[in-house]
Amino acid sequence: DAKTTQPPSMDCAEGRAANLPCNHSTISGNEYVYWYRQIHSQGPQYIIHGLKNNETNEMASLIITEDRKSSTLILPHATLRDTAVYYCIVRVLGDSNYQLIWGAGTKLIIKP
Amino acid sequence: NAGVMQNPRHLVRRRGQEARLRCSPMKGHSHVYWYRQLPEEGLKFMVYLQKENIIDESGMPKERFSAEFPKEGPSILRIQQVVRGDSAAYFCASSRGFQITDTQYFGPGTRLTVL
Repeated sequence: DAKTTQPPSMDCAEGRAANLPCNHSTISGNEYVYWYRQIHSQGPQYIIHGLKNNETNEMASLIITEDRKSSTLILPHATLRDTAVYYCIVRVLGDSNYQLIWGAGTKLIIKP
Repeated sequence: NAGVMQNPRHLVRRRGQEARLRCSPMKGHSHVYWYRQLPEEGLKFMVYLQKENIIDESGMPKERFSAEFPKEGPSILRIQQVVRGDSAAYFCASSRGFQITDTQYFGPGTRLTVL
């Protein structure tokens, strides 16, 4: 089972910041939070990942709370092409850490 | 720098036929993963391979499914005697290593339809 909880859907106006929350209250000390998105019928696209510090790249920012029990993916200026299902994944420690466990994700709809 | 390549993008088979799905990892990547996605669901891990070795096939159905990653050429996911329930999108991912910080990058997928 996925170790994360995400809202099933969200709307955001084009040009505004999209903030996607994720709860991962059972995360362990050295487990990473990864974000992917899947635009309709395409392969999942890697967005960003982090451990405890906030991270930023050309696509998004990742804010992880100090207790690491939740995080927020921020798309600073959402465009219509950002409409997709966004998946928050915790990479678990152990022998099978390469297995990505996918939940239902958040369906983000960007509205003009 | 080409990403993960998969072909064919769409594959139609009749019940009882064989399906062969191919995956070429990103340059410099020697770790390949196959995932399956049923409609309206998240991806499910199937198998993890390194060159010439199957490392973990715990997500593969016990029968009819097999995977390989030969020394030369792409990784192949093979489904024998396909049934309607095999209709799904099959995604391949690759990475440089298998550590928790090794990002998996995905291909565009193969959509298998079984008639």
